Amino acid sequence: QSVLTQPPSASGTPGQRVTISCSGSSSNIGSNYVFWYQQLPGTAPKLLIDRNNLRPSGVPDRFSGSKSGTSASLAISGLRSEDEADYYCAAWDESLSGLVFGTGTKVTVL
Amino acid sequence: EVQLVESGGGLVQPGGSLRLSCAASGFTFSRNWMTWVRQAPGKGLEWVANIKQDGSEKYYVDSVKGRFTISRDNAKNSLYLQMNSLRAEDTAMYYCARGELPDYWGQGTLVTVSS
Repeated sequence: QSVLTQPPSASGTPGQRVTISCSGSSSNIGSNYVFWYQQLPGTAPKLLIDRNNLRPSGVPDRFSGSKSGTSASLAISGLRSEDEADYYCAAWDESLSGLVFGTGTKVTVL
Repeated sequence: EVQLVESGGGLVQPGGSLRLSCAASGFTFSRNWMTWVRQAPGKGLEWVANIKQDGSEKYYVDSVKGRFTISRDNAKNSLYLQMNSLRAEDTAMYYCARGELPDYWGQGTLVTVSS
């Protein structure tokens, strides 16, 4: 089950800034790191943001993450056509003793 | 280069069993937690299970407890998922991933449970 809530879709034109929210609770986002994954069509997920706001090697600085309380967000600035993908947030949940994912957001570049 | 290659997926009847494998390379397997994540067709990601470096701790999502068993062989750099009493709702792409909080993912192996 998805414990973290994301908007189902987001869109923008090339060059615009898009923000995706991720809402959780005190047992997950409120007490642990948040991770963001990008899943391009037909491929495996890829780690996009590590530990709230760190970009793994090779991830463009157009992608940024933030966290406040029991919510987190992913921002994509300078939107490009290759950013069309599904995006998922994730965090460890202390109550469930397991990793929980967000419901996923499909980003469309208009 | 980190590589994770899953195998063992396929078509199985409800109530049947399947064993998934994941061959790891490019990193020190024995020093990492390992995780299985699944994705039903057209749906989101769901964490299935993970296992500590030495296999002494294992955690499962409630829906697979008592039916699935995660294990590892550090000598063979391999991760496994034994799936018993399979149900239609277990149909999904199963991904092997490195870490308790996954960083690298394999390409997945498809499990279809259908009569």
